[in-house]
Amino acid sequence: EVQLLESGGGSVQPGGSLRLSCAASGFTFSSYAMSWVRQAPGKGLEWVSTISGFGGSTYYADSVKGRFTISRDNSKNTLYLQMNSLRVEDTAVYYCAKDDPGANYFDYWGQGTLVTVSS
Amino acid sequence: QLVLTQSPSASASLGASVKLTCTLSSGHSSYAIAWHQQQPEKGPRYLMKLNSDGSHSKGDGIPDRFSGSSSGAERYLTISSLQSEDEADYYCQTWGTGIVFGGGTKLTVV
Repeated sequence: EVQLLESGGGSVQPGGSLRLSCAASGFTFSSYAMSWVRQAPGKGLEWVSTISGFGGSTYYADSVKGRFTISRDNSKNTLYLQMNSLRVEDTAVYYCAKDDPGANYFDYWGQGTLVTVSS
Repeated sequence: QLVLTQSPSASASLGASVKLTCTLSSGHSSYAIAWHQQQPEKGPRYLMKLNSDGSHSKGDGIPDRFSGSSSGAERYLTISSLQSEDEADYYCQTWGTGIVFGGGTKLTVV
């Protein structure tokens, strides 16, 4: 059974940093691209970033480019999102998602971790 | 620009059927999409991938009550024999130069 468990969320002031983690199990982690998707309170889903299976390729939404860094440790079956220079508008629940191998959609999702950016 | 458009809300009766629509922007009518369900206070759940020809492949454990179809730039999600647990937000998603979500449709089961 595929499981994705996010952690690392919390409250931080504008300009601060936070690192999210996503522990994966139930599949061969290194074989799949992984992504982060976020959802601001009361809003819809917004793609944040994607990383290829072996980490050689990364992709970012324009809204986070230059501030967020996605990475993975395949030896630990863990996905990360380093978030720097956080803004109030980054406040959201952040979901970890497994990418389908054949196309850029998400076939499994985590339960999410809440990030609140506020002074 | 790749955009997905969904109606903000829909409602249907318990036991009835409902058809939700996701519209691809001009020039993108051949794109496949994915449908995701988000029940209240939960993370999203993948329902299916839906191709432009209407063929679809569903996620693990998705009941037969959920089906997909396509017509031109429209992608549909039909839910039959509606149950109370189907009350949720439904998002379509596609991919091109980036990954795009529709705004979501809030389905109310009355």
